[in-house]
Amino acid sequence: DTGVSQDPRHKITKRGQNVTFRCDPISEHNRLYWYRQTLGQGPEFLTYFQNEAQLEKSRLLSDRFSAERPKGSFSTLEIQRTEQGDSAMYLCASSLATEITQYFGPGTRLTVL
Amino acid sequence: DQQVKQNSPSLSVQEGRISILNCDYTNSMFDYFLWYKKYPAEGPTFLISISSIKDKNEDGRFTVFLNKSAKHLSLHIVPSQPGDSAVYFCAVTYGGSQGNLIFGKGTKLSVKP
Repeated sequence: DTGVSQDPRHKITKRGQNVTFRCDPISEHNRLYWYRQTLGQGPEFLTYFQNEAQLEKSRLLSDRFSAERPKGSFSTLEIQRTEQGDSAMYLCASSLATEITQYFGPGTRLTVL
Repeated sequence: DQQVKQNSPSLSVQEGRISILNCDYTNSMFDYFLWYKKYPAEGPTFLISISSIKDKNEDGRFTVFLNKSAKHLSLHIVPSQPGDSAVYFCAVTYGGSQGNLIFGKGTKLSVKP
């Protein structure tokens, strides 16, 4: 079991560019979550999937954000037309649907210049 | 409005002594309560959890206490070790089909040798 992995670990982009992050969950986990963490705050929920179905989206997930989990395995989070306020750590977590505990990846640090 | 509050941004403890981290929540409908530890540049690591039907759960040096009437939980670390120095997040969830965790802002614990 290699745990949750995320790629890239760091991304620097210019305002207005699109970025895409990838998350690979623990292999047997059917739930996958995306969170965002800014300085001095705890992680804030963005969205989650059960298998390939996106079951919930936070109001934090503006129209510029889209997430997919096409085959119920890895997931991608895309941010279009990035803004400086999008600078944050983007965290992915996974779990079994029958369990409460979520296991987090190392995160992708996004810096928008 | 913050649904989960960790009112102490930081805590300093001597090695070998007890560390007590506190968390307050607002909604009595929360079913599960978790503690995560986070080192810089890493994702949160699950430590221990408790369901609303219990008032105490122990795992080695870590004990979580839940006071439902006060909507308060605490994490005790005994004895504290320098490797415990990290940011500790309290998280809550409704359980069941509700997937997302709601986090506090965290408490930075420093354990001095």
